[in-house]
Amino acid sequence: SQQGEEDPQALSIQEGENATMNCSYKTSINNLQWYRQNSGRGLVHLILIRSNEREKHSGRLRVTLDTSKKSSSLLITASRAADTASYFCASDQGAQKLVFGQGTRLTINP
Amino acid sequence: GAGVSQSPSNKVTEKGKDVELRCDPISGHTALYWYRQSLGQGLEFLIYFQGNSAPDKSGLPSDRFSAERTGGSVSTLTIQRTQQEDSAVYLCASSTLARVDGYTFGSGTRLTVV
Repeated sequence: SQQGEEDPQALSIQEGENATMNCSYKTSINNLQWYRQNSGRGLVHLILIRSNEREKHSGRLRVTLDTSKKSSSLLITASRAADTASYFCASDQGAQKLVFGQGTRLTINP
Repeated sequence: GAGVSQSPSNKVTEKGKDVELRCDPISGHTALYWYRQSLGQGLEFLIYFQGNSAPDKSGLPSDRFSAERTGGSVSTLTIQRTQQEDSAVYLCASSTLARVDGYTFGSGTRLTVV
């Protein structure tokens, strides 16, 4: 399978703490993207990091990419209850379609 | 439109019946994708359309599945002789050719085969 792997599968933290999710992929990529999914429906694009970038920030999100290890991480700082969702990484392998990981289910406890 | 529109939101069908799922992408997005997501799982690629090029059908799980895109806009995913294992959320997404802003997803169609 070309699908990537995400870890952990589930993460539960207290509001205000930081959440870190990791993603590994299998082939060379053009870019890697992170998406959020609420309630098992449509995904929302969060951030895209290109293969020649190592770190990118967007608001409370920080994404890193290590192409030598074929891995990426998503850090959400100062978490809020509204951040509760599933988070997916998706690799653009140049075949015109994204390959998604299995997702991390994040729960923020008030 | 402002977003990707999918219909119906929910569909319950009897095993053996055919179903059609519709996707209306963002105007101007030349790329359209169908994915399937089983309960608690990741997204499984089904098919990809780009402009007038031949679609990439490499993800379709069987010949019971087909899709078309008319006029480079609306797409229909058809599942013939539905089986219980077809039960899933079917997600459509669209993007520009360059995909610089990622995909925009619809809210999906939850298909239940009973």
